Amino acid sequence: QITLKESGPTLVKPTETLRLTCSFSGFSLSISENGVGVGWFRQPPGKALEWLALVYWDDDKHYTPSLRRRVTVTKDTSRNQVVLILTNMDPADTATYYCARRQVVEATFDSWGQGTLVTVSS
Amino acid sequence: QSVLTQSPSVSAAPGQKVTISCSGSNSNIGNNFVSWYRHLPGTPPKLLIYDNSKRPSGIPDRFSGSKSGTSATLAITGLQTGDEADYYCGTWDDSLGVEAFGTGTKVTVL
Repeated sequence: QITLKESGPTLVKPTETLRLTCSFSGFSLSISENGVGVGWFRQPPGKALEWLALVYWDDDKHYTPSLRRRVTVTKDTSRNQVVLILTNMDPADTATYYCARRQVVEATFDSWGQGTLVTVSS
Repeated sequence: QSVLTQSPSVSAAPGQKVTISCSGSNSNIGNNFVSWYRHLPGTPPKLLIYDNSKRPSGIPDRFSGSKSGTSATLAITGLQTGDEADYYCGTWDDSLGVEAFGTGTKVTVL
């Protein structure tokens, strides 16, 4: 069974750095199990779902152009975790953040976490 | 900002059919597989279609996907009240090296 769960602060102040962790089970990002990755998405209140970042088993990383200067994604294979770091947070970054498993061959996100709401406010 | 364009909303009565279109370009839809997701805000998105037209286990055949050139379509037949949600298309964009997501389509059951 594939599960993913996001964790991190629910409230951050403007200019602070957000660190979210995606803890997963049922698959691995180790080299021996290629063909998978973990992506991050967010949905601001009343707005569309937005893709943010993606890291593959081989540590290949991709980021949405609009956040490229602020976003970083890292994987910890031994802990089955992927971390999203977003710097210089702004109220416009208030959103529900989701992580999801990426299947390379099918080129799709087939399993998703429940999501975590992050509010940016002073 | 999104490179994939969807109509903002579609609606139909229960039992009817709706189609949702997703328009892109040669660098994304034209050269890659398309997926479709259903999303109710506050709940995790759910994969409905992958590889343009394949359904994951558990997804009823009321949901079907197709692709032609640089456009993709999701069809929902036998519409049910539980189908009210936002629907998104997604695919890889070779030129940008990013995952492209659609603008989302809200399905309303009248």
